[in-house]
Amino acid sequence: EPEVTQTPSHQVTQMGQEVILRCVPISNHLYFYWYRQILGQKVEFLVSFYNNEISEKSEIFDDQFSVERPDGSNFTLKIRSTKLEDSAMYFCAISGTRDYNEQFFGPGTRLTVL
Amino acid sequence: AQKVTQAQTEISVVEKEDVTLDCVYETRDTTYYLFWYKQPPSGELVFLIRRNSFDEQNEISGRYSWNFQKSTSSFNFTITASQVVDSAVYFCALSEANFGNEKLTFGTGTRLTIIP
Repeated sequence: EPEVTQTPSHQVTQMGQEVILRCVPISNHLYFYWYRQILGQKVEFLVSFYNNEISEKSEIFDDQFSVERPDGSNFTLKIRSTKLEDSAMYFCAISGTRDYNEQFFGPGTRLTVL
Repeated sequence: AQKVTQAQTEISVVEKEDVTLDCVYETRDTTYYLFWYKQPPSGELVFLIRRNSFDEQNEISGRYSWNFQKSTSSFNFTITASQVVDSAVYFCALSEANFGNEKLTFGTGTRLTIIP
């Protein structure tokens, strides 16, 4: 099973601050995704990324959010000016190894906005 | 638009009992994939199974089994002889087979508690 690490595991920030969440797949993958899970709720799709471009984004993924793969390895999610409602667990997912449709999730980053 | 419904919010059973978690889905696509993930108290999402829409064979993996019925748009998950370690939130998810974008649509999850 492919491994995905995410850093940091927990991020606490003040409202209005910028945060960058990182995802590091252990091996090469084609497809990257970010999902969000507000505490006690379901997992929600944010954005998919393929061939260094956004494939699709949800209505949650507004102008405050951006993604990039700056060095061909790390996959980052940036929130420019955090809001209280951005507090959630953020999961990175990967697919495109032996099976495009089998998504593996990282351990998540818990973001707390104060 | 795709949708996944997990009507059971919480289930509690005594250890060693069998338990079935229900999942009903909606999609307009003829080709799609169904998933189950386990989320233990530690919070990570653990992949359990993926089925494609053309394979309606039931699958068994140890104490876990899955029943896929296209006629009722259901993909139910049964744990046989439940154990305390099975306590977790279980999510059913759906992916439409669009090359380059395999986003998952999740259900709201079922919290399973196994009572020792």
